[in-house]
Amino acid sequence: GESVGLHLPTLSVQEGDNSIINCAYSNSASDYFIWYKQESGKGPQFIIDIRSNMDKRQGQRVTVLLNKTVKHLSLQIAATQPGDSAVYFCAENYSGGRRALTFGSGTRLQVQP
Amino acid sequence: NAGVTQTPKFQVLKTGQSMTLQCAQDMNHNSMYWYRQDPGMGLRLIYYSASEGTTDKGEVPNGYNVSRLNKREFSLRLESAAPSQTSVYFCASQGGQGREKLFFGSGTQLSVL
Repeated sequence: GESVGLHLPTLSVQEGDNSIINCAYSNSASDYFIWYKQESGKGPQFIIDIRSNMDKRQGQRVTVLLNKTVKHLSLQIAATQPGDSAVYFCAENYSGGRRALTFGSGTRLQVQP
Repeated sequence: NAGVTQTPKFQVLKTGQSMTLQCAQDMNHNSMYWYRQDPGMGLRLIYYSASEGTTDKGEVPNGYNVSRLNKREFSLRLESAAPSQTSVYFCASQGGQGREKLFFGSGTQLSVL
């Protein structure tokens, strides 16, 4: 079946560097994508989302890029801070299907001081 | 702002016992969801409720039942708990009008012995 996955299970970066977390999706009909951050012992928190009519969207220190040609999504975090250490999930949905989001397995971001 | 509230936070059951996980949201959202999260994996949808009075199965509904008690509350019941149901359970809600991000509770950690 269709799935959402991640290339790297763990990403380690130095404080102050930029981080890039990648996500591949296989459902070509997906038209909505979202990134969540999950800290240990907490529920997922919304970071940023993007619809398929866009290829880039920026937030505060975060940017999401969508490449529909290769079905790839990425989350860029500028000037990574220790507080960014968490597991990051991408999720997708498409208008013609179930309302619920389908989640990938997550990437752990470790920020080294 | 409470958002999505889940109870209990922790629970230990013996195989065959039953229990109900409670979830309430105060954002006047139409849709509510139950996900489970196993170690090293993303969130998998158990059941969801698109609106008050309706419920639908997700990816992994076996062994669970749900009740959308009113617009605020969506409960998840395990009738006869099994060790395979050891997991962290998250409730989420979603606003309508095209907004598709989910707001998550802080989770219930369930162990079935």
